Amino acid sequence: KNQVEQSPQSLIILEGKNCTLQCNYTVSPFSNLRWYKQDTGRGPVSLTIMTFSENTKSNGRYTATLDADTKQSSLHITASQLSDSASYICVVLSGGSYIPTFGRGTSLIVHP
Amino acid sequence: DAGITQSPRHKVTETGTPVTLRCHQTENHRYMYWYRQDPGHGLRLIHYSYGVKDTDKGEVSDGYSVSRSKTEDFLLTLESATSSQTSVYFCAISDAVTGSYYEQYFGPGTRLTVT
Repeated sequence: KNQVEQSPQSLIILEGKNCTLQCNYTVSPFSNLRWYKQDTGRGPVSLTIMTFSENTKSNGRYTATLDADTKQSSLHITASQLSDSASYICVVLSGGSYIPTFGRGTSLIVHP
Repeated sequence: DAGITQSPRHKVTETGTPVTLRCHQTENHRYMYWYRQDPGHGLRLIHYSYGVKDTDKGEVSDGYSVSRSKTEDFLLTLESATSSQTSVYFCAISDAVTGSYYEQYFGPGTRLTVT
C-alpha cells in the first residue's frame, strides 16, 4: 500500500530561525513529489514539485530535497517568518496514476 | 484558488438530513476530486471524477455519492448526514494525466457540522 509519512507532527520555532520538515514515502513507481502549504481555513497551495531526476528545488525561502533511492524528501525553510505558520503537506504521485497519496502534514508555528 | 468555488462555505445540519455540496470550476480541467480533512487524518479522498458522468470511489466513500453532469460542476451528496461526517470538505481539480506537470488545485473548503 502506498504511504507517505511526515515528521515531526508539529513544530514550534522562533521567527528568523531555520527548520527542516521530513517526508518518507513508499509510493511505487514514483512519478513526482509535491510540498503543499495550507494556511488555516484555506485549501492547500503547491510550493514545489520534484521529479525522479531532481535532487533540489527552491522557491524563495523554501528548499525541497529529494533522495529517490532512500525515498525521502525534506523541506527546509530559511529565516522563518510569522506568515510561515501553516500546515505543510507532502504529496506523492505514483507513475501512471492521477490519484496522489497525501501525508498527514506537519503543523508549523512561528513565534515572534 | 485557481478558479474553483465551493458552496456553501459553511453549513450546520441535523443528523439524518440530506446535504449537497457543490464544487464549480472555470478552468475546464478534466479531473475533479472531493476530499475530507479531519485532525490527525490529513486529506482523505472520498470520490473523484475523470470526466462528465465518469466517477469512482476513493478510500472513504461510504455514506457519500457524487454526480458530474457538466465539466465545471461536481456535486457531493450526503444522503443522510451523520455526526461522523462533520468535517472540512475540499474540492480539487487537475488537468494533466500524470508526470511532472500533474498538479491538484484546491478550492477554499466547506466546513460542515452535523448536530
